[in-house]
Amino acid sequence: QSALTQPRSVSGSPGQSVTISCTGTSSDVGAYNYVSWYQQHPGKAPKVVIYDVSKRPSGVPDRFSGSKSGNTASLTISGLQAEDEADYYCCSYAGYYILAVFGGGTKLTVL
Amino acid sequence: QITLKESGPTLVKPTQTLTLTCTFSGFSLSTSGVGVGWIRQPPGKAPEWLAVVYWDDDKRYSQALKTRLTITKDTSKNQVVLTMTNMDPVDTATYYCAHRRAWLFDPWGQGILVTVSS
Repeated sequence: QSALTQPRSVSGSPGQSVTISCTGTSSDVGAYNYVSWYQQHPGKAPKVVIYDVSKRPSGVPDRFSGSKSGNTASLTISGLQAEDEADYYCCSYAGYYILAVFGGGTKLTVL
Repeated sequence: QITLKESGPTLVKPTQTLTLTCTFSGFSLSTSGVGVGWIRQPPGKAPEWLAVVYWDDDKRYSQALKTRLTITKDTSKNQVVLTMTNMDPVDTATYYCAHRRAWLFDPWGQGILVTVSS
């Protein structure tokens, strides 16, 4: 199973919005509404910010939102803040034998 | 509050077998639908799912690594153990265990960096 495709980096100024894409196939992202997004700060474990395509765990600001169209999922962060600077990974369920396939990761820089 | 913590060797030699233990609290592995999984992340790279064990002892493995992996649970001790045979320098990574609910790994443990080197 190939990794999901993400842009290697995105950037934005404080207060702006950025969108990170995650492209898979009809066997993973396109087949299931089980896409999650993880935020990872340096030296820390990944933390979920979006699950089931568009649901936010309690405690995650509503500046974070998720969506999906076809084989591509997206994470949008609005009102960028300095603490949003991190690596972001998408992850999709891909069936009985492939519980999770991850994206290559996107480094978000807040200018 | 759910917490998980990985333990085991931080340095192994090529061809050796790695044994990692995940000790958790805040949930029970006898609860329907619950699982514990292992994910690894090589330095500077993306995470890679390795294995999951569920409350009913159902076990799933990465197809790419299934011949080298074994996952077991000890419900009474709140522990899950992962073994990986024939370690190679390319297996150098931070190994995480995580709570599995529905289709999600959440939360993750702090991770343990395992280096494979002679």
